Amino acid sequence: GAGVSQSPSNKVTEKGKDVELRCDPISGHTALYWYRQSLGQGLEFLIYFQGNSAPDKSGLPSDRFSAERTGGSVSTLTIQRTQQEDSAVYLCASVPSASGRVYEQYFGPGTRLTVT
Amino acid sequence: KQEVTQIPAALSVPEGENLVLNCSFTDSAIYNLQWFRQDPGKGLTSLLLIQSSQREQTSGRLNASLDKSSGRSTLYIAASQPGDSATYLCAVTPGANNLFFGTGTRLTVIP
Repeated sequence: GAGVSQSPSNKVTEKGKDVELRCDPISGHTALYWYRQSLGQGLEFLIYFQGNSAPDKSGLPSDRFSAERTGGSVSTLTIQRTQQEDSAVYLCASVPSASGRVYEQYFGPGTRLTVT
Repeated sequence: KQEVTQIPAALSVPEGENLVLNCSFTDSAIYNLQWFRQDPGKGLTSLLLIQSSQREQTSGRLNASLDKSSGRSTLYIAASQPGDSATYLCAVTPGANNLFFGTGTRLTVIP
């Protein structure tokens, strides 16, 4: 079946512009994570959605970052007034059950964001 | 296709013990290897990142080694504490946009 998809796969934007990154989780998966990986850095947790609960936003690095998950499915990560340090690969992962078992975390291919 | 295996799947140790978690991967063509921990209901926290040219990395009580040619990595935790209880994941990066995670080791440190 279809896996987690993300779009665009690559995005180049000018400093100061807003960008939206999209994640389509596997249908029926209840939890969704956003991560980012900057060059040479480990994976950084950004935000976590679980069902209808309030999202865990503890990983968002600044108030320029926000994310929504509409209808418990598609998620959009928005970065306003992009900065060069926002350049990274942004990964989305979905999980099929409320247990959040890590081995069931399905990752999308990522969006490579480059801010010039 | 890259496959990442972690052994053991679960481990319980008394507080204060030193322990080793193992990770193996099938394709040695990797950019780096990372160890993470995940607490229930939380995202992943990156612990250590080892570049393919490096042999080991240390952070506090944690030491990770990498033997790329044999496709192995270990995470050594010294003087374990109950707060170390979590699931530990290793992941390899064979390409810019791909992460291959192991299935994790669930560690319980008993007070």
